[in-house]
Amino acid sequence: KAGVTQTPRYLIKTRGQQVTLSCSPISGHRSVSWYQQTPGQGLQFLFEYFSETQRNKGNFPGRFSGRQFSNSRSEMNVSTLELGDSALYLCASSFQAGRDLPNEQFFGPGTRLTVL
Amino acid sequence: SQQGEEDPQALSIQEGENATMNCSYKTSINNLQWYRQNSGRGLVHLILIRSNEREKHSGRLRVTLDTSKKSSSLLITASRAADTASYFCATDYNTGNQFYFGTGTSLTVIP
Repeated sequence: KAGVTQTPRYLIKTRGQQVTLSCSPISGHRSVSWYQQTPGQGLQFLFEYFSETQRNKGNFPGRFSGRQFSNSRSEMNVSTLELGDSALYLCASSFQAGRDLPNEQFFGPGTRLTVL
Repeated sequence: SQQGEEDPQALSIQEGENATMNCSYKTSINNLQWYRQNSGRGLVHLILIRSNEREKHSGRLRVTLDTSKKSSSLLITASRAADTASYFCATDYNTGNQFYFGTGTSLTVIP
């Protein structure tokens, strides 16, 4: 099976712009989660989508949003970019056999966003 | 914050030695997972341990979980240079896939 893919891999934007990142999960996986990784804050959970619905949400401002399509592909959008949004954005997918069952998450290589 | 903490922050050992890193968390968990990350790339899943399990093995990896102390440890035996990476623990507290990651341990294995 192909792994989780993320596009683009690198992105440079300026303050005030908006950006859309894409994630294609492993075939058959219905859950997609997004994380932000920075040297100062480490890995922080952004949100999770399952069957096109946002199921969990981390503590990020409304400028961060996402969505999931019927084929489980997901996008996240950051509007009005700030310098502090520079980070590695990681997407993870999992099969989620059952709501109460533990799930192994498979991560993509990430999108490195630089905001100038 | 429910983010866990890992100890030590950095560890440097000789090839062939064992490496032990610890993770502490704050509230009761469903599961705890360990991940490896090589220099700013994506994370690779290593092992998952459920809250009702105390020990788990996978190849050269051994994970223990002590829910009374809210801590876990990852032991890598007979380390190799290729084990050089950052290691993170991740916990989940509710249903779904909202994971809280620890601060990570940076492991350097010297050939």
